[in-house]
Amino acid sequence: DTGVSQNPRHKITKRGQNVTFRCDPISEHNRLYWYRQTLGQGPEFLTYFQNEAQLEKSRLLSDRFSAERPKGSFSTLEIQRTEQGDSAMYLCASSFSPFRGHNQPQHFGDGTRLSIL
Amino acid sequence: SQELEQSPQSLIVQEGKNLTINCTSSKTLYGLYWYKQKYGEGLIFLMMLQKGGEEKSHEKITAKLDEKKQQSSLHITASQPSHAGIYLCGADLSRNTGNQFYFGTGTSLTVIP
Repeated sequence: DTGVSQNPRHKITKRGQNVTFRCDPISEHNRLYWYRQTLGQGPEFLTYFQNEAQLEKSRLLSDRFSAERPKGSFSTLEIQRTEQGDSAMYLCASSFSPFRGHNQPQHFGDGTRLSIL
Repeated sequence: SQELEQSPQSLIVQEGKNLTINCTSSKTLYGLYWYKQKYGEGLIFLMMLQKGGEEKSHEKITAKLDEKKQQSSLHITASQPSHAGIYLCGADLSRNTGNQFYFGTGTSLTVIP
């Protein structure tokens, strides 16, 4: 059973550097979500894709953040000019949304833990 | 402001005891999802509730959504150390599924053998 895969698991970088994370969703899922989670908090929604279209972005997603899902399969999340406040766990999830009917549950990867020195 | 409030924030119980975790919203919950998370890992889906008054069970865990669809509870019967972890409720707060999805702050459960 292939679940949601995220790479890398850990990333340590210096402030000001750019970082890119990758998410490979469950193959038949058409929706892909990115979240950020800090210690002691629930995940905070960042953005989501329906196939290759980015349909919603949170106010949390500053102009230093960009996400892509070019072929409607894997997705990348890039953070430019990282700041110490970007240190967090970045979680990816995918789900199947039928044309009609309710959305199905999101299935999560194990996340990428980002530490900014 | 926190869209979903969870209580309690943490819970320590003796093995074998029952416990309840609550999730409350000021808005209608169009889809309510319960997840479990272990430290440093992703979220594991437990249950999904969509209809007012709906109740679902899996093994020793039961989740309910109230008739007004603004509150959900997660009940664990005869807790075991394997139940330890962080329990999170998540919800669609809009009819347009896929719009911003909200999570509560989580309830940390410790089960003492």
